[in-house]
Amino acid sequence: GAGVSQSPSNKVTEKGKDVELRCDPISGHTALYWYRQSLGQGLEFLIYFQGNSAPDKSGLPSDRFSAERTGGSVSTLTIQRTQQEDSAVYLCASSQQGGSPGNTIYFGEGSWLTVV
Amino acid sequence: AQSVTQLDSQVPVFEEAPVELRCNYSSSVSVYLFWYVQYPNQGLQLLLKYLSGSTLVKGINGFEAEFNKSQTSFHLRKPSVHISDTAEYFCAVIRNSGNTPLVFGKGTRLSVIA
Repeated sequence: GAGVSQSPSNKVTEKGKDVELRCDPISGHTALYWYRQSLGQGLEFLIYFQGNSAPDKSGLPSDRFSAERTGGSVSTLTIQRTQQEDSAVYLCASSQQGGSPGNTIYFGEGSWLTVV
Repeated sequence: AQSVTQLDSQVPVFEEAPVELRCNYSSSVSVYLFWYVQYPNQGLQLLLKYLSGSTLVKGINGFEAEFNKSQTSFHLRKPSVHISDTAEYFCAVIRNSGNTPLVFGKGTRLSVIA
């Protein structure tokens, strides 16, 4: 696709339920990021996939959060047993990193998650 | 690990006035630096980036930033702002080698007043 595509754009879920957020990166981009944007907190790094390397999971806030990337393309972020503090915009981004950290990272429009 | 501090969470400025949004970073290794902008109800987009070479970097919409290694700063400037510049601005840093994530600051909300 032309840009990073995320779905759903909005999700309201009840506390305790599991949610899955999907990201379709720009075709050919080897690097994929998930960030969380909360009011006043800026962009919080969650997880980073780069090619076939093991993902950098150092930003995941708890073991309720997990992500996978299938076939080096589409990624799914899963939040289990959602809590109200999980309410935020979840942003996916991709870049054609290929060994150069200076490549531009392109962001999707985000998935707005509200836990009630 | 790298970190970014954006010293001002909100900056109000009158239309056609100059503006500077401050960014300081911390890193024990060489880095690349970025400014991203998020307009209301839109996704983030790259404003400019510093990789190497001239320390003064020009970006889109008349913005520029200067890399100052001794002060570990990368402040963003525009000589004359417009109403349309109202947005959230994020400074970000990444190691210039290896596979590490881009780290963002908490953002600065620029409000341009008519």
